[in-house]
Amino acid sequence: AQKVTQTQTSISVMEKTTVTMDCVYETQDSSYFLFWYKQTASGEIVFLIRQDSYKKENATVGHYSLNFQKPKSSIGLIITATQIEDSAVYFCAMRETGNYKYVFGAGTRLKVIA
Amino acid sequence: DPKIIQKPKYLVAVTGSEKILICEQYLGHNAMYWYRQSAKKPLEFMFSYSYQKLMDNQTASSRFQPQSSKKNHLDLQITALKPDDSATYFCASSHDWGVYEQYFGPGTRLTVL
Repeated sequence: AQKVTQTQTSISVMEKTTVTMDCVYETQDSSYFLFWYKQTASGEIVFLIRQDSYKKENATVGHYSLNFQKPKSSIGLIITATQIEDSAVYFCAMRETGNYKYVFGAGTRLKVIA
Repeated sequence: DPKIIQKPKYLVAVTGSEKILICEQYLGHNAMYWYRQSAKKPLEFMFSYSYQKLMDNQTASSRFQPQSSKKNHLDLQITALKPDDSATYFCASSHDWGVYEQYFGPGTRLTVL
């Protein structure tokens, strides 16, 4: 069965630094898709970035990038030059091709300090 | 203008009653979804629809019934409400059903007394 685990409950970093949030997943599928979403303090959920399992290159969008380590079933989210407004809860999610259910991790709360 | 509208924003109901949560998307997407988020669990997938057809149902209880009157509408009817149903319900949509990223509505916070 699909499973997504985010072990970091909460992280605090200084503004303008780089932070990595961890996510490990379990799947029996050879093809799957990984996503990161951000939930702001207002409750809004926003898509950030995705990684397709068959792609070897790590995805990058703006100041978000991924550290995809397929042998370790790991998909870390890296945020560079963090800003106060990056403070939010970050969710990792997975979707298999054989089972189109989205499974979300429990989330990591990021606090960026000035 | 908001691209995904959910009504109402807040909803208070009594145990045993029935409520309908409304969702409309104006992104031109063909797939829509419902999720639930409570203090006890992370975002929990409930249903997915594609072109108004139910594609996946991960909700164990038949008290939760999605209703799609138009391609860009996916309402959620909840009957015989229980206090455990208290949560924020998010509607989402994606370009098509499949492995596309999803766009979420603002949510409806339901409290069952």
